[in-house]
Amino acid sequence: AQSVTQLGSHVSVSEGALVLLRCNYSSSVPPYLFWYVQYPNQGLQLLLKYTTGATLVKGINGFEAEFKKSETSFHLTKPSAHMSDAAEYFCAVSESFGNEKLTFGTGTRLTIIP
Amino acid sequence: NAGVMQNPRHLVRRRGQEARLRCSPMKGHSHVYWYRQLPEEGLKFMVYLQKENIIDESGMPKERFSAEFPKEGPSILRIQQVVRGDSAAYFCASSPPVQYDEQFFGPGTRLTVL
Repeated sequence: AQSVTQLGSHVSVSEGALVLLRCNYSSSVPPYLFWYVQYPNQGLQLLLKYTTGATLVKGINGFEAEFKKSETSFHLTKPSAHMSDAAEYFCAVSESFGNEKLTFGTGTRLTIIP
Repeated sequence: NAGVMQNPRHLVRRRGQEARLRCSPMKGHSHVYWYRQLPEEGLKFMVYLQKENIIDESGMPKERFSAEFPKEGPSILRIQQVVRGDSAAYFCASSPPVQYDEQFFGPGTRLTVL
């Protein structure tokens, strides 16, 4: 069975500072990994995904994530935080061919300090 | 191309009533997923459907919950005899029949059971 652990349910960073949101996964087969962002009272929007190929994945809004198989991690980073980045971020994993249901972490709420 | 549509956006029911949640996938998408988000929690997979078929319902509660995706019309998530614990945000996602393509999420239906 697959699972996702997001360390830190709340993260606060100053505007302009580095954003680092942690995600570790457990999967019995090579995983497919996703980061989604959720703004208040809205649905989820895909930030980026890793399926195969390059382990450093670039997404929208300046975010990127690196797949590290040896560490079973897929941490999300952004060099310089912006006020508009304040939201809830979810890491998710999918592993089954023909059934791409997502298993989500519990989320990390990102607060940006002016 | 309109995004995934869900209605109603907000639904209030009294205990014992039925709730019907509708999801219209994006044009060309034949896969629909339903997820539930309880307060302060991540999203939990409920059911995966293709047109006229339930592919995986491993996340559905054994009683009172059912889902369908008919040949014509939206996908329906039906909750019979609602209880307070059913209060949550229910999200629908759709994807095209391409392996590991992105799931596009709707804005969700927020169900409140009084």
